[in-house]
This record gives sequence, structure tokens and C-alpha cells, in this order.
Amino acid sequence: KAGVTQTPRYLIKTRGQQVTLSCSPISGHRSVSWYQQTPGQGLQFLFEYFSETQRNKGNFPGRFSGRQFSNSRSEMNVSTLELGDSALYLCASSLGTGGQGEKLFFGSGTQLSVL
Amino acid sequence: TQLLEQSPQFLSIQEGENLTVYCNSSSVFSSLQWYRQEPGEGPVLLVTVVTGGEVKKLKRLTFQFGDARKDSSLHITAAQPGDTGLYLCAGLLPSGYALNFGKGTSLLVTP
Repeated sequence: KAGVTQTPRYLIKTRGQQVTLSCSPISGHRSVSWYQQTPGQGLQFLFEYFSETQRNKGNFPGRFSGRQFSNSRSEMNVSTLELGDSALYLCASSLGTGGQGEKLFFGSGTQLSVL
Repeated sequence: TQLLEQSPQFLSIQEGENLTVYCNSSSVFSSLQWYRQEPGEGPVLLVTVVTGGEVKKLKRLTFQFGDARKDSSLHITAAQPGDTGLYLCAGLLPSGYALNFGKGTSLLVTP
């Protein structure tokens, strides 16, 4: 079956702009999590959506937001972009049952560059 | 603060050599996962360990979860160029809801 699809793959924006990233999870998966990956900090958890509701949230400012649609597709939005927002943004889909055995399937990511 | 510390940060070896990558923490995890990430791609899950002392093998890769569930190791036997990539460990705290990732070990295996 098809994997996790993230669009676009690459994005270049300038400071102050806003950006929207999209993620289509594996069919049947109801949970979508978003991570930010940078060389300095590694992967950091942004938030998780399950059945159109934000179930968990990491320690990122309110400029980072997201939503999930009824078909489980998810978008994340970053407003008032800063240079430090340059990163690879990864989304991961899972069944959403939670617990220690939960398997995450990652997309290839969106590489965001803020100039 | 990084909950999981991985070492070494970089590793460059020749084909056929053995290597071990470590993932350490002062926190106890209910489970720990290992991922491999190749350039331009997202991480791919290799294994999940949940029991202290657990050992799992995946072909030439051996994963071990520490008895106290605070650390883990990944041993690769007879490394091949196809093993090249970024190896990430990720742990789930007993009270947690999201994986905590280490910064990774970047492995390069040359022919």
C-alpha cells in the first residue's frame, strides 16, 4: 500500500511569511504526528492529531499549528517565519492505538529554507 | 535537554568491520525504538524493544535493551555499504505520549 506522502518536498520562504505543509497518511491510519529535524537539535515533536483532534503537543511556540481532516490528511502551518524555522519537517502516520508498540511510518519530509 | 544521548556521533568504517552504536539516558523508558534514515528520506523503523535485557536480531543487526531500560545498543556485524545512514534511537517515557529521539549516529561504510 502507498506510504506517507508529504508535499511539497522543498520550500523556500523569506522571514515573516507563512507556510503550509501537507501530509497524507497511510490508508487506515488515523494518527498523524509532526516532527522538526535540525542538525543541532535532532528530531523534536511538534504535535499529534488523531481523528481530527490535536491529542498531544510539544514545546513549540503558537506560530506552529496544525489540523487534520476527516480523511486523516493533515496540514501544519507556520506563521511569521523565522530563520531558525529552517528545518526538515517530517510527518509520521500510525494506527493511533498508542502505547509502547506503536509503529510510526515517516514520510520523506518537507525541507523548508527560510531566507 | 536531550533525554537520549547517542554515541559515537559519526562513524566511518570499511566494509566487513563490526561496530556498536550506543544510546544512553538517565531516564527509564517503557519502550525503545531504532530507526535508520537515509539522505533525503524519512526514518524507517528497524526494531522496537520493550523488556529490560531484551535482545532482538535483524539479520546482521543485533539490538539490546538495557536491564534497567535506560540504555540500548545496536551492533552491526560485517557492515556493508548498504548499512550507510543515520541511526536514531527513540524512547517512550512511561508517562509520555511522544517519542524522544536521540540526535543520531551517522554511519558511513566504504567498500
